[in-house]
Amino acid sequence: GQQLNQSPQSMFIQEGEDVSMNCTSSSIFNTWLWYKQDPGEGPVLLIALYKAGELTSNGRLTAQFGITRKDSFLNISASIPSDVGIYFCAGQLWTSGSARQLTFGSGTQLTVLP
Amino acid sequence: NAGVTQTPKFRVLKTGQSMTLLCAQDMNHEYMYWYRQDPGMGLRLIHYSVGEGTTAKGEVPDGYNVSRLKKQNFLLGLESAAPSQTSVYFCASSFSSGSQTYEQYFGPGTRLTVT
Repeated sequence: GQQLNQSPQSMFIQEGEDVSMNCTSSSIFNTWLWYKQDPGEGPVLLIALYKAGELTSNGRLTAQFGITRKDSFLNISASIPSDVGIYFCAGQLWTSGSARQLTFGSGTQLTVLP
Repeated sequence: NAGVTQTPKFRVLKTGQSMTLLCAQDMNHEYMYWYRQDPGMGLRLIHYSVGEGTTAKGEVPDGYNVSRLKKQNFLLGLESAAPSQTSVYFCASSFSSGSQTYEQYFGPGTRLTVT
């Protein structure tokens, strides 16, 4: 099946710093999604990307759908304490009649130090 | 809108016991999913449903059964719980239009421990 490699696995940064994380896949996706999960909660959608090359922002978050359709990155600018959590990438390959399943990366644990 | 809700939030089972997890969504979504999340791993799909009365296997379906009798509900059953099924279970739902499926929305999770 499809494999997603998400890196880094964990990050410790100072408040105010910028953060970058990425995902690469062994095969192509039509859609890339980025989720954030707080402790004890379900993942919450941050950004959805639907076209190769697409660059989308949501406040301090920016994500890009790689031109090869096999990768995506997420940047967080000027980090704040509430950015702490686990960030997941997810890829979806949808075709007519397909299962439309999401494949998740293993997550990036972000810690923001005051 | 409550979005996606899950019942119960926590449960402890003994090996061999059975239980059903309930997922409900009020967004009129066609697609519903059950995932499990284990430490250090992303979410893995157990079963999913593309509409009322239909279900399909995901990546890790063994030991689980599901039913989708109503569009808004998706049930996950464990007939004979095993310690390997200790995990956090998440339900999700999504809207689907034609050949494109929109992003999935997740419930808060059910933490299950099997002793």
